[in-house]
Amino acid sequence: GNSVTQMEGPVTLSEEAFLTINCTYTATGYPSLFWYVQYPGEGLQLLLKATKADDKGSNKGFEATYRKETTSFHLEKGSVQVSDSAVYFCALSDQPDSNYQLIWGAGTKLIIKP
Amino acid sequence: GAGVSQTPSNKVTEKGKYVELRCDPISGHTALYWYRQSLGQGPEFLIYFQGTGAADDSGLPNDRFFAVRPEGSVSTLKIQRTERGDSAVYLCASSSQPGYEQYFGPGTRLTVT
Repeated sequence: GNSVTQMEGPVTLSEEAFLTINCTYTATGYPSLFWYVQYPGEGLQLLLKATKADDKGSNKGFEATYRKETTSFHLEKGSVQVSDSAVYFCALSDQPDSNYQLIWGAGTKLIIKP
Repeated sequence: GAGVSQTPSNKVTEKGKYVELRCDPISGHTALYWYRQSLGQGPEFLIYFQGTGAADDSGLPNDRFFAVRPEGSVSTLKIQRTERGDSAVYLCASSSQPGYEQYFGPGTRLTVT
């Protein structure tokens, strides 16, 4: 079945450090891939997405590239800020057979220290 | 504009009781999803509505769980004979069409004592 595995947290970095959060997936079809972010006390928000192989999603300085050969969608940011502290979730949607339901990783808590 | 809202934000109930959780999606969104998130885990799919009908209820864990969306807007997730293992955050999401971005509500934290 479909699944998503992402690196365990918490990940603790200093401000302006480079960030990578690893995400790999297993899917039977050709999924779309997503990163969602959950800031403290808030709901889940879509951060970025990619719908086919070699696509790069980007938003707010974050990037992730859909790598079919390595079944990966790692999240990167060149210089993190304290305000990036949140829980990050990698997810996939193997539509249309799955009715577009999202399959999620366990989440990675990111802590940025000033 | 208003986002997805969920009520109540917190619900504490005793084992064996019945609970209803409400989701008010973004106006005009035809697709509605329910997910459940246990502590330290990612959300798990429960049920998907397209309009008024449950297009996919394969994620409901057992027959104590039921959801409705009678007019194609507000949805209610119903849990009978609650168990301590039902304690989790229940999330609702809606999208304008299947396959489009899912917008999430803040969730209802259910605690069964």
